[in-house]
Amino acid sequence: EVQVLESGGGVIQPGGSLRLSCAVSGFTFSSYGMSWVRQAPGKGLEWVSSISVSGGGTYYADSVKGRFTISRDNSKNTVYLQMNSLRVEDTAVYYCAINKKGAAAPDSWGQGTLVTVSS
Amino acid sequence: QTVVTQEPSFSVSPGGTVTLTCGLSSGSVSSSHYPSWYQQTPGQPPRTLIYSTNTRSSGVPDRFSGSILGNKAALTITGAQADDESDYYCLMYMGNGISLFGGGTKLTAL
Repeated sequence: EVQVLESGGGVIQPGGSLRLSCAVSGFTFSSYGMSWVRQAPGKGLEWVSSISVSGGGTYYADSVKGRFTISRDNSKNTVYLQMNSLRVEDTAVYYCAINKKGAAAPDSWGQGTLVTVSS
Repeated sequence: QTVVTQEPSFSVSPGGTVTLTCGLSSGSVSSSHYPSWYQQTPGQPPRTLIYSTNTRSSGVPDRFSGSILGNKAALTITGAQADDESDYYCLMYMGNGISLFGGGTKLTAL
């Protein structure tokens, strides 16, 4: 059974940094791209970032480009989202998802981790 | 900056058929946008319904179908059930690794 487990969320002051982790199991992690998607309270889904199988390709929404960095460790079956210069508007539940091969679509999702940026 | 557009709300009677659409503020949707659809109920993560325009994700019943209708992507629910009452989101691949979600459609069962 595929399992996706996010961690690392919490309360952080504006301008601070946080690193989210997403540990996956039950499939061949090194064969799939991964994505982060977020959802602000009461709002819709927002695609944040994706990473290719090898980690050589990383992609970001304009809203986080230059502040967030996605990475992966295929030996640990884990993908990360390093979030710097956090803003109040980054407050959201952050979901990690396994991408469907060749389909540019998140498929299997975690339960999410809440990031609250507040002074 | 292209925006992905969805109807804010829709309603359907149990047993009925509803088609939700997903368009672009500029240009037409095509299969090269790899349209995908997601269902979300409050407090839960999204559930993938459709990817690559019309392929159902594992375990999704066949009353959910995806297509391109005119210049938009479409999600059709045939024989709607009460528990189909959810928020539905489309996702478009915009190229160069970038994807965009639509604003979502709140589907209400009458």
